[in-house]
Amino acid sequence: GQSLEQPSEVTAVEGAIVQINCTYQTSGFYGLSWYQQHDGGAPTFLSYNALDGLEETGRFSSFLSRSDSYGYLLLQELQMKDSASYFCAVNTNAGKSTFGDGTTLTVKP
Amino acid sequence: DVKVTQSSRYLVKRTGEKVFLECVQDMDHENMFWYRQDPGLGLRLIYFSYDVKMKEKGDIPEGYSVSREKKERFSLILESASTNQTSMYLCASRLGMTGVQHFGDGTRLSIL
Repeated sequence: GQSLEQPSEVTAVEGAIVQINCTYQTSGFYGLSWYQQHDGGAPTFLSYNALDGLEETGRFSSFLSRSDSYGYLLLQELQMKDSASYFCAVNTNAGKSTFGDGTTLTVKP
Repeated sequence: DVKVTQSSRYLVKRTGEKVFLECVQDMDHENMFWYRQDPGLGLRLIYFSYDVKMKEKGDIPEGYSVSREKKERFSLILESASTNQTSMYLCASRLGMTGVQHFGDGTRLSIL
């Protein structure tokens, strides 16, 4: 089966940088995705890594190390609107997608 | 623009009822997914489908079944609803293996 671990809560101030880590155990690993979910809303896609290294999309970046079964999401220049839950998700080569339990990010003024 | 539509935003049913949750996507995606989301437990995969009439069990399939008769529609069925199936249900679709998952707005289902 698959299992993912990520911190349950992170707090940071506006303008800061925050890193949300994700470690996973899976067979047939294909890629690691990140999603954002605001209260009452649907998850929305942020980033995807299939190969080792850093992917940058504006203020958000995601990193993957396949040998360490580890990835992280990096959020820069934090804004109040970034307060949300963030999920990492593992895609397998069987087409399955398994999500972590999510990290609640609180951005304070 | 990508659109995944779930038939109901809120639904209240009785214990023992057969419940149908419908999901339609307009992007011609091969893959469709059903998740349930409970506080502190993230999104848990119930079933997914990679093609018409094809289905695969996810991590928590017990008490559920699915139907995919047409590419754009993926239905989740609660055969005999129970109170522990009260939850938020999310449908998603994805193009290929590496594409983005697009989610519907969710159905908040209450079983009384």
